[in-house]
Amino acid sequence: DQQVKQNSPSLSVQEGRISILNCDYTNSMFDYFLWYKKYPAEGPTFLISISSIKDKNEDGRFTVFLNKSAKHLSLHIVPSQPGDSAVYFCAASAKGAQKLVFGQGTRLTINP
Amino acid sequence: GAGVSQSPSNKVTEKGKDVELRCDPISGHTALYWYRQSLGQGLEFLIYFQGNSAPDKSGLPSDRFSAERTGGSVSTLTIQRTQQEDSAVYLCASTESPGLINQPQHFGDGTRLSIL
Repeated sequence: DQQVKQNSPSLSVQEGRISILNCDYTNSMFDYFLWYKKYPAEGPTFLISISSIKDKNEDGRFTVFLNKSAKHLSLHIVPSQPGDSAVYFCAASAKGAQKLVFGQGTRLTINP
Repeated sequence: GAGVSQSPSNKVTEKGKDVELRCDPISGHTALYWYRQSLGQGLEFLIYFQGNSAPDKSGLPSDRFSAERTGGSVSTLTIQRTQQEDSAVYLCASTESPGLINQPQHFGDGTRLSIL
């Protein structure tokens, strides 16, 4: 039972354009959502998070949007840069729970 | 170092052997987590430690898996009688205190375990 789903295994975007990565979840108890970025042979690096009391959080080139009614969140990267090429994981946790539930990841490739 | 440290970075062993993986969390972080990532999959929760509380072992896939955390700092994950399906990257993460809500977990670089 995959509670967090990233339906696009890969995404290719031209440098300078917007990258949009999507994530869907099924558990209505999730109240904290995170995006991690992972390079090969390294651990995931925290990028940005959002609490369920918000619908948008912005940090520099990165913005996360949360649509609770649709159980959907997205990560926007603008403008995309070659160094953004990595695997992006969406993760969620439920109130009172400490563990994170991860999606399968989306491999983002930024083309020069 | 300032980050979560894991050792070894790579481990190759024969099926049936026991393995021990080590994690040093960020100094001062009281919560420690183990996850694993199998090929092409997302991260799967294994176990969570917080201070002196009983660990949350709900993610351990079988009784061949165990973990301990000594002195509230270093943790070891032990896999007994390894099987080929145990091959994965084992990742450790820590957070400052789960009492502070909504904190991101910070990950080490993982141990890549290969069972021959």
